[in-house]
Amino acid sequence: AQSVTQLGSHVSVSEGALVLLRCNYSSSVPPYLFWYVQYPNQGLQLLLKYTSAATLVKGINGFEAEFKKSETSFHLTKPSAHMSDAAEYFCAVISPGGSEKLVFGKGTKLTVNP
Amino acid sequence: KAGVTQTPRYLIKTRGQQVTLSCSPISGHRSVSWYQQTPGQGLQFLFEYFSETQRNKGNFPGRFSGRQFSNSRSEMNVSTLELGDSALYLCASSVGNRETEAFFGQGTRLTVV
Repeated sequence: AQSVTQLGSHVSVSEGALVLLRCNYSSSVPPYLFWYVQYPNQGLQLLLKYTSAATLVKGINGFEAEFKKSETSFHLTKPSAHMSDAAEYFCAVISPGGSEKLVFGKGTKLTVNP
Repeated sequence: KAGVTQTPRYLIKTRGQQVTLSCSPISGHRSVSWYQQTPGQGLQFLFEYFSETQRNKGNFPGRFSGRQFSNSRSEMNVSTLELGDSALYLCASSVGNRETEAFFGQGTRLTVV
């Protein structure tokens, strides 16, 4: 069964600092991977996705993630945090050959300090 | 292009009652999935409908059911509500291909008292 582990339920950074949110997956085959962001009382918005093309994926709002098969990781980064980046971030996986369902990590709440 | 619309946004129900939530997907999308989000369990998959057929189902009791209409709109029903059913219920629509992203609605916040 697939699973996703997000290390750190809370991450705090200063405005302008590097953002690094960690995601590791467990899957028998290389899955499709997604990062979503959720603002308070809102649904989820896709930041970026990996579907077996380029391993470095660029998304919206300056975020990017790198798929590393050897480490089974898909960490999300942004060079310089902005106050508007404060939100909860979810990593999700879907198996190319299995069920359509997204399996989500528990989420990481990002706080950006002025 | 209109996004995914979920109604109502907020609901308060009493234990033992039943509730129906509605989701209108993006035009042209044939897949609708439902997720339950709680602080303790996070985001959990309920079920997915594609072209009016349930294609996948999560590990929820039979009190949770759904359906999809010919226009792709979907409804989710929860019968005999329990306090633990209090959650944000999110609907996601997609074209139905695993490579393409799911677009989420703003959710329905259900509170069971």
